[in-house]
Amino acid sequence: GENVEQHPSTLSVQEGDSAVIKCTYSDSASNYFPWYKQELGKRPQLIIDIRSNVGEKKDQRIAVTLNKTAKHFSLHITETQPEDSAVYFCAARSGGSYIPTFGRGTSLIVHP
Amino acid sequence: GAGVSQSPSNKVTEKGKDVELRCDPISGHTALYWYRQSLGQGLEFLIYFQGNSAPDKSGLPSDRFSAERTGGSVSTLTIQRTQQEDSAVYLCATERAGGPYEQYFGPGTRLTVT
Repeated sequence: GENVEQHPSTLSVQEGDSAVIKCTYSDSASNYFPWYKQELGKRPQLIIDIRSNVGEKKDQRIAVTLNKTAKHFSLHITETQPEDSAVYFCAARSGGSYIPTFGRGTSLIVHP
Repeated sequence: GAGVSQSPSNKVTEKGKDVELRCDPISGHTALYWYRQSLGQGLEFLIYFQGNSAPDKSGLPSDRFSAERTGGSVSTLTIQRTQQEDSAVYLCATERAGGPYEQYFGPGTRLTVT
């Protein structure tokens, strides 16, 4: 089955810095890669996703890149703000499976 | 429109008791998932429902866990003879047909087994 590794487990940055979270996956058939943000005590919410037919997607300060050859994808947050502090989860899903495999999460702390 | 709702929001139970957790999906979402999230941990898949098809129960940790989805809508996760290691937040998520698409999560039920 699919295996998703996420790094780092904790990331501490100063407000205004950039943050990068990386995930690797094992199943070359995976074709959908969402990122979820979970604030403390709240439910996970999708912030951005990418499909295997594109290499990069941007939404304001957030971008995701995908390298299918290397089987890794990354979340990039620029000009971080304290409200970006949360746990971020990556996931990978194969077209042949209805069940996403989640990474273990990255706790992002943005210091004012 | 209304999002995914779950009840109760918190449940404290004694070891050995049975509990039922409820999930009300977004109307029209045919796919429904249950996940478990232990403190500070990731999302552990439990069970998946899609329309009227047989559920995928491959993530259920033991036969004490079961789930139903009535009429393709509301789902109930039942844990029998609860153990302390069952303490966690149980999250429900739904997704519209034809995916993969975004999963919409409910607020979760925090279960504490004493």
